[in-house]
Amino acid sequence: GNSVTQMEGPVTLSEEAFLTINCTYTATGYPSLFWYVQYPGEGLQLLLKATKADDKGSNKGFEATYRKETTSFHLEKGSVQVSDSAVYFCALSDQGTGRRALTFGSGTRLQVQP
Amino acid sequence: SAVISQKPSRDICQRGTSLTIQCQVDSQVTMMFWYRQQPGQSLTLIATANQGSEATYESGFVIDKFPISRPNLTFSTLTVSNMSPEDSSIYLCSAWTGVINTEAFFGQGTRLTVV
Repeated sequence: GNSVTQMEGPVTLSEEAFLTINCTYTATGYPSLFWYVQYPGEGLQLLLKATKADDKGSNKGFEATYRKETTSFHLEKGSVQVSDSAVYFCALSDQGTGRRALTFGSGTRLQVQP
Repeated sequence: SAVISQKPSRDICQRGTSLTIQCQVDSQVTMMFWYRQQPGQSLTLIATANQGSEATYESGFVIDKFPISRPNLTFSTLTVSNMSPEDSSIYLCSAWTGVINTEAFFGQGTRLTVV
């Protein structure tokens, strides 16, 4: 079956530090990959996505590259801000099998200190 | 994009009672999904709701406990039946929009506390 593995949190960084949150996956078909963000007290929002190998998703300074050879989709940001403090979820959708439901990782809480 | 409205946003319920959560999408969608997010944990898919057919439940979830309705292409309900404190979670509905550039949107969630 499909699964997503994320690095454990919480991750605590100082403002302007470099961020990496690791995500690896297993899938039986040809997944699309996503990063969702959940700010305190809010719902899930799509941060970025990639639908095929070597695609790079980017948004709000965050980037992630779909690496089929390493089955990874690591989230990076060059300079985090306090406002980036949230929980980040890596997810996949195995649309090649027609199954559009998302499989989520465990989530990584990011805390950015001023 | 899509706007998904859920209600109630939160509720505190007595054990043994049932709660129905409503999910309204501002556009027609084929499939809607219901997820559970237990405290401090990730999202787990409960079921997929298609209009005009029975919902498809994931392993560990059954229709008697989580009956789902999908009367049309913009609306669905999830009922949490005979609640116990272990059902205290955030329940979220979701739908995919678009044909080519698709993405999943989520409601704000219903925070349920069972006492």
